[in-house]
Amino acid sequence: AQSVTQLGSHVSVSEGALVLLRCNYSSSVPPYLFWYVQYPNQGLQLLLKYTSAATLVKGINGFEAEFKKSETSFHLTKPSAHMSDAAEYFCAVSDNLLGGKLIFGQGTELSVKP
Amino acid sequence: EAQVTQNPRYLITVTGKKLTVTCSQNMNHEYMSWYRQDPGLGLRQIYYSMNVEVTDKGDVPEGYKVSRKEKRNFPLILESPSPNQTSLYFCASSLSRQLGFSPLHFGNGTRLTVT
Repeated sequence: AQSVTQLGSHVSVSEGALVLLRCNYSSSVPPYLFWYVQYPNQGLQLLLKYTSAATLVKGINGFEAEFKKSETSFHLTKPSAHMSDAAEYFCAVSDNLLGGKLIFGQGTELSVKP
Repeated sequence: EAQVTQNPRYLITVTGKKLTVTCSQNMNHEYMSWYRQDPGLGLRQIYYSMNVEVTDKGDVPEGYKVSRKEKRNFPLILESPSPNQTSLYFCASSLSRQLGFSPLHFGNGTRLTVT
């Protein structure tokens, strides 16, 4: 069965520091992988997605993620954190078998200190 | 503007009082879905619909009903709400069920409290 594990429910970084949010997945077939961001009192916004093309995926707001099949990982990074990046981030997996369903991780809340 | 619209944004109700949360999308999407979000659990799928008059259960369907009479609308119905249905609910839509090609678009959420 497909599953997603996000390591760390809370991550705190200083403004200007590297952001690294970890995501590991389990899937029996080639997966589609997604990162969504949720700002307070808002819905989920798609940051980026992996669909078996390039393994390094660039998204909005300077974020990127690398698909590593050998490690079953899809970690999210940003070279320099900004105060506006403070939000909750969700990693999710889908595939052709799930047919429209996203399996979400537990979420990681990112705090950015001035 | 392309969007998924949920109403209401906030709802407080009492156990057993039937309620409906509406969801509408203006993108002519075929696929629609409801999720609930609970702390430490992420989002879990309640029901989904692949097209008009086609609905199916997700992972946590107990206590919920849905209908899809029109392509744009996908209401979530709680016939007899209970406190364990207190949660944040999201409606989402996609052009098709192949999310690798057409990702889900989410509404802004409905925070439901059942006392």
